[in-house]
Amino acid sequence: DQQVKQNSPSLSVQEGRISILNCDYTNSMFDYFLWYKKYPAEGPTFLISISSIKDKNEDGRFTVFLNKSAKHLSLHIVPSQPGDSAVYFCAAKIPGNTGKLIFGQGTTLQVKP
Amino acid sequence: NAGVMQNPRHLVRRRGQEARLRCSPMKGHSHVYWYRQLPEEGLKFMVYLQKENIIDESGMPKERFSAEFPKEGPSILRIQQVVRGDSAAYFCASSPGLDSPLHFGNGTRLTVT
Repeated sequence: DQQVKQNSPSLSVQEGRISILNCDYTNSMFDYFLWYKKYPAEGPTFLISISSIKDKNEDGRFTVFLNKSAKHLSLHIVPSQPGDSAVYFCAAKIPGNTGKLIFGQGTTLQVKP
Repeated sequence: NAGVMQNPRHLVRRRGQEARLRCSPMKGHSHVYWYRQLPEEGLKFMVYLQKENIIDESGMPKERFSAEFPKEGPSILRIQQVVRGDSAAYFCASSPGLDSPLHFGNGTRLTVT
């Protein structure tokens, strides 16, 4: 039962262009969403988050959009840089007293110079 | 301020042996989570602990797996009588509170031969 889905296993983008990574979820009870970035042989690093009461959050080159009616969120990176090449995980938090996250399968982003 | 420290980074065990994975959370973090990543998959929640207490172990297999977070010392994930299917990357994460993003360690890659 995959509650958080990243349907694109990989994405290739030219340096300087926009990267758009997508994520869909099934549980309408999720109240907080996060994006993590992971390099090989390292742990995931927190990138940006958004509360379910918002539809957009921006931090420098990174913007996350949330469409609750469609149960869809996306991460925009602009302009993309070669150092952005990594695996990106979407995660959702279940409301309650555990703080645990449900992760998508990940999307591998390659930014070509 | 050191990040989440996991050791060992790599662990090789033969079938039937025991594996012990250690995690020291970031300073000031009292919430510890263990996740497992199988090849080509996302991170799957295993267990959530606070000092001396298991809060949520809904993602942990009922047999052979156990976790602890003692008052003093690191959190330990213990796998008894390992099988080949236990081969995976095991990530520990910590946070200072339920509303904070999780900070991950670099993981322990377990290989069962």
